[in-house]
Amino acid sequence: EMQLLESGGGLVQPGGSLRLSCAASGFTFRRFAMSWVRQAPGKGLEWVSATGGGGDDAHYADSVKGRFIISRDNSKNMLYLQMNNLRADDTATYYCAKDAQNDNGVWDWFDPWGQGTLVTVSS
Amino acid sequence: EIVLTQSPGTLSLSPGERATLSCRASQSVSNSYLAWYQQKPGQAPRLLIYGASSRATDIPDRFSGSGSGTDFTLTINRLEPEDFAVYYCLQYGKSLPFAFGQGTKVEIK
Repeated sequence: EMQLLESGGGLVQPGGSLRLSCAASGFTFRRFAMSWVRQAPGKGLEWVSATGGGGDDAHYADSVKGRFIISRDNSKNMLYLQMNNLRADDTATYYCAKDAQNDNGVWDWFDPWGQGTLVTVSS
Repeated sequence: EIVLTQSPGTLSLSPGERATLSCRASQSVSNSYLAWYQQKPGQAPRLLIYGASSRATDIPDRFSGSGSGTDFTLTINRLEPEDFAVYYCLQYGKSLPFAFGQGTKVEIK
């Protein structure tokens, strides 16, 4: 069974940093692109960042470009999101999500998703 | 960059009724690269439909997706109590960014 388990969320002050982790299991991690998707309290879903299976490409939503860094360690089946210069509007539940298909040149739909980790940016 | 607009914002229906949810794209979605998700409070989104009309594994056949180009529809026949939730469409494809619709809440009337 494919599983994704996020960790690292918590309360941080504006301007601070936090690193989220996502532990993957049940599939060949290195073969699949991975994304981070967030959801502010009571709001909709927003794609944040994606990286390909090899981890040598990184893509970001304009709202986080220059502040967030996505990375992965395929030897450990881990995905990360380094979040710097955090703002109040970064407050959200952050989900890691797996690209549904591998090696087809398409950024595919997400399946499965982790259960999410809550990041609260507040003084 | 594609923008997805879902309508209505909220749908009030009774169990047993049919729900029709719309997702309209600001430009044509190539190859029908559109998915639908269901989300219940406190849970991660659950994949229902991909490729505009293909049901995901273990999704009941009362859920169906249709459409192409800029207009897509999720239909839920004979609503069950567990179907009351928020539904999102997602555009994916060969280029980024991904785009989500803002969601449609299906609530009990």
